[in-house]
Amino acid sequence: GAVVSQHPSRVICKSGTSVKIECRSLDFQATTMFWYRQFPKKSLMLMATSNEGSKATYEQGVEKDKFLINHASLTLSTLTVTSAHPEDSSFYICSAAGGLAGGPVEQFFGPGTRLTVL
Amino acid sequence: GQQLNQSPQSMFIQEGEDVSMNCTSSSIFNTWLWYKQDPGEGPVLLIALYKAGELTSNGRLTAQFGITRKDSFLNISASIPSDVGIYFCAGSNRDDKIIFGKGTRLHILP
Repeated sequence: GAVVSQHPSRVICKSGTSVKIECRSLDFQATTMFWYRQFPKKSLMLMATSNEGSKATYEQGVEKDKFLINHASLTLSTLTVTSAHPEDSSFYICSAAGGLAGGPVEQFFGPGTRLTVL
Repeated sequence: GQQLNQSPQSMFIQEGEDVSMNCTSSSIFNTWLWYKQDPGEGPVLLIALYKAGELTSNGRLTAQFGITRKDSFLNISASIPSDVGIYFCAGSNRDDKIIFGKGTRLHILP
């Protein structure tokens, strides 16, 4: 199956700093990438959808100035958590999707990034 | 918005037992998906269902897409220790967004 990587896998930072998380599709071109957030023992909540070369679409309640998404190429999307605070601590997971036009599109998930803000 | 109700929330079973979990929705989905998530990892797709009524197997796993397109079930036969984890159902429509259920935690008793 398709492989999606995330870097870093874990990050600990001080409150007020910015953190960048990378998501890469390693063996296919992803037309769309998605960013999710997961709190402990909870489900995945979609934060935003990004298409290569265009602005990300954010879900209701997600601050676009807080969570900056850049989808620079068909294999790379980045999520930057700006001025991080302890409440931003969470497990962030990306997924990448690509498929034949008109066909079902499957999302392949990265391994996640554990962010801890002190 | 669309919501998925997944049950049970958790299960405690003996190794070798069969497992059944299900998911219902307040509205229709075009695609039903079942994922497994291990601790500290991203979800891994187990089975994807694209047609109402479809019954699909993947090894010891079997899943069905309900006729009404508002429900799906996942069965695991003859459970083994590596089946432990969280199972998520998910629904998707043409906008390709995935909406996840709240998950079923599977525990296998020693």
